[in-house]
Amino acid sequence: DAGVTQSPTHLIKTRGQQVTLRCSPISGHKSVSWYQQVLGQGPQFIFQYYEKEERGRGNFPDRFSARQFPNYSSELNVNALLLGDSALYLCASSLAYNSPLHFGNGTRLTVT
Amino acid sequence: GESVGLHLPTLSVQEGDNSIINCAYSNSASDYFIWYKQESGKGPQFIIDIRSNMDKRQGQRVTVLLNKTVKHLSLQIAATQPGDSAVYFCAENIRGGGGNKLTFGTGTQLKVEL
Repeated sequence: DAGVTQSPTHLIKTRGQQVTLRCSPISGHKSVSWYQQVLGQGPQFIFQYYEKEERGRGNFPDRFSARQFPNYSSELNVNALLLGDSALYLCASSLAYNSPLHFGNGTRLTVT
Repeated sequence: GESVGLHLPTLSVQEGDNSIINCAYSNSASDYFIWYKQESGKGPQFIIDIRSNMDKRQGQRVTVLLNKTVKHLSLQIAATQPGDSAVYFCAENIRGGGGNKLTFGTGTQLKVEL
């Protein structure tokens, strides 16, 4: 069975640009969560979506937004990129709202 | 892939020895705890979880111990193998209303020496 898939795997953007990251959850999973992992640190919670509604938001600026589609896939958008947004962006899916998370391998975003 | 474990605490063990990785959690309201393993270039992989109504849980070659009094969590890996080399994170959650808003620790780099 396919795990959580994320695209693209690597991305290089310039300060001020906008980026969209994509995530396909494990088949049957209805919840998608996004995390940011800066090099050398643990992942930090950005968003959780369940049944296409935002169910939780971490301490990130409004430049970060996300959505979940009817097929439960999700996109994370970041506007007006800053150098500090350079990180590994992880998507995780779970069967239900409180079920264990299964992570994808992430999108490595580099902002120059 | 890039190393996840830059500047992280490191635990070096000999192959075949037991490993103990420790974690202090911060929120006394947390009632669900998970250990993840992260290899270079990959996302975190679920190892084992424990709820706050338990103090010990065993899996295959792994045991998690929870001490709520001192807010401490440990992961024991028996007969450590080279494939266990990775960064290990503990994560905490408030299950009641927390959804999947996990708070991760800083991580420990485990190096298995042959």
